[in-house]
Amino acid sequence: GQQVMQIPQYQHVQEGEDFTTYCNSSTTLSNIQWYKQRPGGHPVFLIQLVKSGEVKKQKRLTFQFGEAKKNSSLHITATQTTDVGTYFCAGRGNNAGNMLTFGGGTRLMVKP
Amino acid sequence: NAGVTQTPKFRVLKTGQSMTLLCAQDMNHEYMYWYRQDPGMGLRLIHYSVGEGTTAKGEVPDGYNVSRLKKQNFLLGLESAAPSQTSVYFCASSYFETSGFYEQYFGPGTRLTVT
Repeated sequence: GQQVMQIPQYQHVQEGEDFTTYCNSSTTLSNIQWYKQRPGGHPVFLIQLVKSGEVKKQKRLTFQFGEAKKNSSLHITATQTTDVGTYFCAGRGNNAGNMLTFGGGTRLMVKP
Repeated sequence: NAGVTQTPKFRVLKTGQSMTLLCAQDMNHEYMYWYRQDPGMGLRLIHYSVGEGTTAKGEVPDGYNVSRLKKQNFLLGLESAAPSQTSVYFCASSYFETSGFYEQYFGPGTRLTVT
């Protein structure tokens, strides 16, 4: 079945440093979504990417969808302590109906 | 609007006991989902429903049953709990659109421990 891998699993950064998490799918995706989960909280939707090569920005966050629609990345510029949490990508395969496959997540820790 | 709510928030079960987790949404969403979250493994889909009276298996359905008798509620049942079912369980719901866009809204989670 479809697999979605995320790296790294953990990342410690100093406040102000940049951060990137990468997501790779074993199959071509029709779309990919990103979620953020704060410690002790529940996943909250951030964004969806649909088009090949698509790039979207939300303030300091930049999301990319690969040309082959099999990989994606989330880049945070100048991290802040409020960025702490686990970031998940979730992909929907072309024949997956309405099911999302989540990556294992990248846990971001920011030192003030 | 309360969004997606889950009861209970915490539960400790002994091996072999049964229980039902309740999920309710007030957003009139067609789709509802049950996930489990284990450390380092992200969210894995247990069962989902595309509408009242319909359910389907997800990635890890064994040991669980579900029912969707009302559009706003989605129940997850454990008939005979096992320690391997110790996890955090999240319910989610979403709209359906022909374009395929469907952001999922998650409940606060239920932390279940099976001893």
